Amino acid sequence: QKEVEQNSGPLSVPEGAIASLNCTYSDRGSQSFFWYRQYSGKSPELIMFIYSNGDKEDGRFTAQLNKASQYVSLLIRDSQPSDSATYLCAALGRSNDYKLSFGAGTTVTVRA
Amino acid sequence: DGGITQSPKYLFRKEGQNVTLSCEQNLNHDAMYWYRQDPGQGLRLIYYSQIVNDFQKGDIAEGYSVSREKKESFPLTVTSAQKNPTAFYLCASSQPDLLTEAFFGQGTRLTVV
Repeated sequence: QKEVEQNSGPLSVPEGAIASLNCTYSDRGSQSFFWYRQYSGKSPELIMFIYSNGDKEDGRFTAQLNKASQYVSLLIRDSQPSDSATYLCAALGRSNDYKLSFGAGTTVTVRA
Repeated sequence: DGGITQSPKYLFRKEGQNVTLSCEQNLNHDAMYWYRQDPGQGLRLIYYSQIVNDFQKGDIAEGYSVSREKKESFPLTVTSAQKNPTAFYLCASSQPDLLTEAFFGQGTRLTVV
């Protein structure tokens, strides 16, 4: 079982719509969770991180964490063509092991 | 400016050669990571280090080696035992005890010729 799994995509949404990305993780001891955006040929850049159950909002982005279900999600509201990228979910290991594992990524295309 | 520097940006290797990828950070981070990315794939963890003079194998360590002699440096050697080394390699660092994000270098694209 992979440590972090993402809905495989690709995901195509019209401009202005909501894009919904999902991620599950296997290690119940994982401390915190990250969403990165990666444009083709570039290194990942952080969108959001979350470590408490519930929702966290930052502009058009909302991250949701449910530790009981071992589930993390990212919502992109009012999607823009510039949001077209691959989104990577990551989980940081338990407190005595700083292993940072990534999912396979979900490619999002926003149609103008 | 604080950040992570990877070099070189592009690297060509002949079959049977060992090559070393450089990763230096001036963020004073304890943890450093090496990932491999193949086209259309996510990041797969090769090695990580939580502190100087200590490192752990990730999910795909075979054919790779690392060292962590200094806090700011975490070089990765791709050995001849790695049969399919052509990939994009990313180095990252973080301060995990503060639950902050990992910062990435610009990557090294390795091609076997």
